[in-house]
Amino acid sequence: GAGVSQSPSNKVTEKGKDVELRCDPISGHTALYWYRQRLGQGLEFLIYFQGNSAPDKSGLPSDRFSAERTGESVSTLTIQRTQQEDSAVYLCASSSWTDTGELFFGEGSRLTVL
Amino acid sequence: DQQVKQNSPSLSVQEGRISILNCDYTNSMFDYFLWYKKYPAEGPTFLISISSIKDKNEDGRFTVFLNKSAKHLSLHIVPSQPGDSAVYFCAARDWGKLQFGAGTQVVVTP
Repeated sequence: GAGVSQSPSNKVTEKGKDVELRCDPISGHTALYWYRQRLGQGLEFLIYFQGNSAPDKSGLPSDRFSAERTGESVSTLTIQRTQQEDSAVYLCASSSWTDTGELFFGEGSRLTVL
Repeated sequence: DQQVKQNSPSLSVQEGRISILNCDYTNSMFDYFLWYKKYPAEGPTFLISISSIKDKNEDGRFTVFLNKSAKHLSLHIVPSQPGDSAVYFCAARDWGKLQFGAGTQVVVTP
């Protein structure tokens, strides 16, 4: 597709369950990012993939969070044993390596943990 | 540790007037600064950026100013239009990743 695609758009789960969120970046974009936005707050960096380099995981809030990326394609963000504080919109973005640093965002996956 | 700060959570401006959004940062290693706009239930969309070696960049109604000595940047929107009502995020690039401020909700009134 033309833009960054995320699925599911909405996910409601029970506390303690695992969830997987998927991101399809723009074709040809070497960099992929995951951000989280909690209600009323800004965008919180989670993880960054750039080509074949080791990912920058410095933003992952706990070891319950992990992400994988297949080559320069799809990425999956996994949250294990979800907690209510994990409720947020999870945003994926991709970029080509340009001087401007512009990221192209998907519409996000809204996660609600009951 | 919040390295990019937007201290005004909201701004109301009359249609046709200038909107000025402010952003402060603490990391002198940021090499690019960007502004994003976000409507509800949509992902942020890129507006304008500026390199750390410049002090001004203009694109149509949008101008970004960078004051490196003060570690401050601002976005000017003139004239403001009803469609500009959205949340605006300031972002700064650090080793490839963007750090975002908390956002400023702009409301443009008739």
